[in-house]
Parts: sequence; C-alpha cells; structure tokens
Amino acid sequence: QKEVEQNSGPLSVPEGAIASLNCTYSDRGSQSFFWYRQYSGKSPELIMSIYSNGDKEDGRFTAQLNKASQYVSLLIRDSQPSDSATYLCAVPNAGNMLTFGGGTRLMVKP
Amino acid sequence: GAVVSQHPSRVICKSGTSVKIECRSLDFQATTMFWYRQFPKQSLMLMATSNEGSKATYEQGVEKDKFLINHASLTLSTLTVTSAHPEDSSFYICSLDRGPYNEQFFGPGTRLTVL
Repeated sequence: QKEVEQNSGPLSVPEGAIASLNCTYSDRGSQSFFWYRQYSGKSPELIMSIYSNGDKEDGRFTAQLNKASQYVSLLIRDSQPSDSATYLCAVPNAGNMLTFGGGTRLMVKP
Repeated sequence: GAVVSQHPSRVICKSGTSVKIECRSLDFQATTMFWYRQFPKQSLMLMATSNEGSKATYEQGVEKDKFLINHASLTLSTLTVTSAHPEDSSFYICSLDRGPYNEQFFGPGTRLTVL
C-alpha cells in the first residue's frame, strides 16, 4: 500500500513570504507527483505536476522533487491571502488511481 | 487541463429518495472516471472507478448496490445514491485522468444533503 504523508498544518505565513509545503512518499518506484489546491467547499484543482528530480517552476509556484529522499515539496513565493487553501500531494498507483496525502492547510495572513 | 462538469452542484432531498449525479467530460473522451466522497474537514475518499462500457470497480467498504455507477459513454458517468439517508450527506466529486502521467482533473463537485 503506497503512502503519502503531509503535515496537516495549519501552516501560517505572512503575506509576501515564501510558503513551503512538504510531502513524503513510500514507493520508490513512483514516477509522477502532483500538487492540488483545494479551497474550502470546492473540489481539488491541479496546480503542479513533476516527474524528474530537481525543480519545476510555474509562476509563483515551484515544485521540487528528490527521488532519493522520496520527498516532494511545493514552494509558493510572494504568498497572497488568496493562496490560503489546503494543498494535497498525490501520487498515481496501479489502475491510474491517485493516493493522496492528508493535505496541508495553508493560511496566508495579510 | 481537462474540463469536467457535474450536475447538480447542490441537492437537498428527503431520506429514502434516490439522487442521480452526472459527471461529464466536455473536451475529452474518458474511458475511466473516478468518484470520490469528502466529508467536512476530512480527506478525499475514492469510492469507485467508473469504466466505460463495463462494471465499475468499488473500493472496499463502498456498497455497490447503494451507489450505482453507470458509465454509458466516453463523456458521461453517473452516480446514483439509492435510498439516501442523512449519513450519505457529503460532497461527491468526480474526476478523470488525462495525459501520459495520469494527472486527474476534478469536476466542481455535488453537495448532497439528505434530510
């Protein structure tokens, strides 16, 4: 059974700061990693995908993958109050299903 | 990403009635769709995998006779909650996977309240 672990938070950062969200996974064979953002009362939205070791940047978001350490992170630069949400780390498994972490709740304070 | 719609977005019904939720893929032919349920302040729970033209695969603990899934076309999957009870009140979300790395794209969800 694959496992994906995240700190539940809440992670509180001031507006303009860098928010760092972390995720560890158990299956060394995992190849794809996804970050979803879920606002309260809404469905998850895919914001980042990463497949190779290293960094992947998209606007204010940077995903970092370290397969040797089985660690994937999401950095949000210049955090805004609108970034306040729960961030879900997900890893595909057999049958194309996703294993989700429990999510980290981010609070960006003005 | 893929565009996925759900209907209705919100439904309130009396205990004992059946409720049908539709999930449509608007720009992609999806052979597989997924149905999730999320209770307040809890994680997403996969209920079943919906396969076009064949029977759905249900997760352990999900009653297939209570949660009927029909995936009759490549763009439509339906979830029917039969004889709904208050404990079935939840946020039901469908998704489909697309692309070479199996990214999943979610519909907007259906909030079911059973009185």
